[in-house]
Amino acid sequence: EPEVTQTPSHQVTQMGQEVILRCVPISNHLYFYWYRQILGQKVEFLVSFYNNEISEKSEIFDDQFSVERPDGSNFTLKIRSTKLEDSAMYFCASSTSYSNQPQHFGDGTRLSIL
Amino acid sequence: DAKTTQPTSMDCAEGRAANLPCNHSTISGNEYVYWYRQIHSQGPQYIIHGLKNNETNEMASLIITEDRKSSTLILPHATLRDTAVYYCIVRVVGNTGKLIFGQGTTLQVKP
Repeated sequence: EPEVTQTPSHQVTQMGQEVILRCVPISNHLYFYWYRQILGQKVEFLVSFYNNEISEKSEIFDDQFSVERPDGSNFTLKIRSTKLEDSAMYFCASSTSYSNQPQHFGDGTRLSIL
Repeated sequence: DAKTTQPTSMDCAEGRAANLPCNHSTISGNEYVYWYRQIHSQGPQYIIHGLKNNETNEMASLIITEDRKSSTLILPHATLRDTAVYYCIVRVVGNTGKLIFGQGTTLQVKP
């Protein structure tokens, strides 16, 4: 069964450094998402992306965050200058539509900021 | 987006049916009910979704009341591997598709 893959599984970065989290969505999916989950807390929506542009972003997704689909297969989340509070699990998801089709999630990248 | 209410935790004996309730009394006519689960710290796993009819797939059944104000996820024969946090989410058709997760129900399947 096709699946969303994310790399790396664990990223350790010094505060203030830039980090790029990578995702390969399911191949025929057109809608892409990033979520995060701080340890012990709820899964939170960050951003949705379709047709090479952001469809919606949350308050968390400030100017330090950006997303890109650099080629036909990858979908990336960049954090420009990481802060301690960016430490979390980051999940990528994709779906075939916005409406009545489910999002499928990857297993996440654990980001640890030192 | 409509808010959902789920019990914080539930136990179930292995091999028995697990029935997980969800209240969504403010659901609108165009909102789907979705169920996901999260095993340990893995990514959320899609289980099932429905609009107003009952649905069944290889993982579970979804029973939605006629007034759509509540639903029940049924795992027919729970195994230890079904121990997870289960999330009930209502999602508007046609919006940007974001999912709003609550705290969910922690299901503990016991031998």
